Amino acid sequence: DVKVTQSSRYLVKRTGEKVFLECVQDMDHENMFWYRQDPGLGLRLIYFSYDVKMKEKGDIPEGYSVSREKKERFSLILESASTNQTSMYLCASSSNDRARGELFFGEGSRLTVL
Amino acid sequence: AQTVTQSQPEMSVQEAETVTLSCTYDTSESDYYLFWYKQPPSRQMILVIRQEAYKQQNATENRFSVNFQKAAKSFSLKISDSQLGDAAMYFCAYISNFGNEKLTFGTGTRLTIIP
Repeated sequence: DVKVTQSSRYLVKRTGEKVFLECVQDMDHENMFWYRQDPGLGLRLIYFSYDVKMKEKGDIPEGYSVSREKKERFSLILESASTNQTSMYLCASSSNDRARGELFFGEGSRLTVL
Repeated sequence: AQTVTQSQPEMSVQEAETVTLSCTYDTSESDYYLFWYKQPPSRQMILVIRQEAYKQQNATENRFSVNFQKAAKSFSLKISDSQLGDAAMYFCAYISNFGNEKLTFGTGTRLTIIP
C-alpha cells in the first residue's frame, strides 16, 4: 500500500516562528502536493512539485515555501508563522503511471499559531 | 478557472438507508475527470470513485455510485445501504485531462450516519 507520512499530527507554534512540515512517501511517486484545509473552504493547493528540486505555486502560495531535495520528501516551510496560518495541512502524492487525479494523502498536520 | 460546488455542507442519513450528495462544476473543457474523495474523522483522505467525462456510463464501486450529467455539469454520489463507517467528509473534485492541471476540490459535505 502507498504510504504518505506527515511528520507531525499536531503542532503549536508562536507568531513569527519558522515552521517545517515534513512529508515522505514510499511509492516513488513523481508528484507531491501541499494543501491547506479550512472549514467551508475545502482544500486549497499551496505548492506542488513534479520532480526533484522542482516546485510550482498553487492557488495560495503567499507566506509559504517548499523544498524537494529528494524524490520521496516534500517539505512545507512557513518562514514566519502568523495566526491566519492556523489550519490543517495535507500532503499528497501521485504517480504519472496511475489514473490522472488519483492522489494519496497523509493523515494531515494540524497547526495552531498563537 | 474551473470551480466545483458542493451546496450541502452537512447531510445525515439513517443507517441502511440511501443518501445522495450533490456536486456541480463549471468548465469549458470536454475531456476531464471527476472524483469523490472521503475523509473519515482523523484519518487519511481516500479516493472513493472516479468518472471519466467521455464515458457515458456512470461509475460504480460496490455501494457507491455516481449520477454523471455532463450537459448539466452535475456529479452526485449515491451511497446505498449506509453504514456507520461511511461517516466522513466527502469532497468532490475535478481535473482536466490537458496539461499540468491540478485537482480542484469542492468545499465538502459532512455526512453523519444515524444508528
